[in-house]
Amino acid sequence: NAGVTQTPKFRILKIGQSMTLQCAQDMNHNYMYWYRQDPGMGLKLIYYSVGAGITDKGEVPNGYNVSRSTTEDFPLRLELAAPSQTSVYFCASSFGQGGYEQYFGPGTRLTVT
Amino acid sequence: AQSVAQPEDQVNVAEGNPLTVKCTYSVSGNPYLFWYVQYPNRGLQFLLKYITGDNLVKGSYGFEAEFNKSQTSFHLKKPSALVSDSALYFCAVRDNSGNTPLVFGKGTRLSVIA
Repeated sequence: NAGVTQTPKFRILKIGQSMTLQCAQDMNHNYMYWYRQDPGMGLKLIYYSVGAGITDKGEVPNGYNVSRSTTEDFPLRLELAAPSQTSVYFCASSFGQGGYEQYFGPGTRLTVT
Repeated sequence: AQSVAQPEDQVNVAEGNPLTVKCTYSVSGNPYLFWYVQYPNRGLQFLLKYITGDNLVKGSYGFEAEFNKSQTSFHLKKPSALVSDSALYFCAVRDNSGNTPLVFGKGTRLSVIA
């Protein structure tokens, strides 16, 4: 199993550009998550999904959109990139909520200038 | 609301000495507690979790953690630190009384010095 994969690893965007961060998992997990990690701030939940066709907002959803058309894929869309979106983005998946641990991808480092 | 605190930004320990990384939490019900480790330029890796039962939980790479309900703590420990344990450690909590998201602490950087 590849686990959770993310592309690209690095990206530099200009202010106002858009892009999609890709995330895929091959563990047949129902739950998928997008986090952003800023220095000294831990991880903040952007969006999550409990299954194909179902998504919900996390703590910091503004400026982002998601979709979940398949169990495997959970892309994150940035519209009109802003410097405040400079961060490291992690995708994760889990079999369920509750006491189930999450499995993380390697991350995408995004810089908006 | 649920929250988790890691009171130390940095912990330094000599190789071979025991290490402790502290975590305290706040939830309205009972907690699910997790520890993750992050090596440079990598994603988070699951170390161990407390769901219910025995208060001492053993995990990967020789790490263990003790759940203390009265002190609302879940400190991570290892009897003998290795240089390769140097990394960023995150504690996370979820209230088991509802469908709440996992909340992460800000992380503690562990440096093990040879």
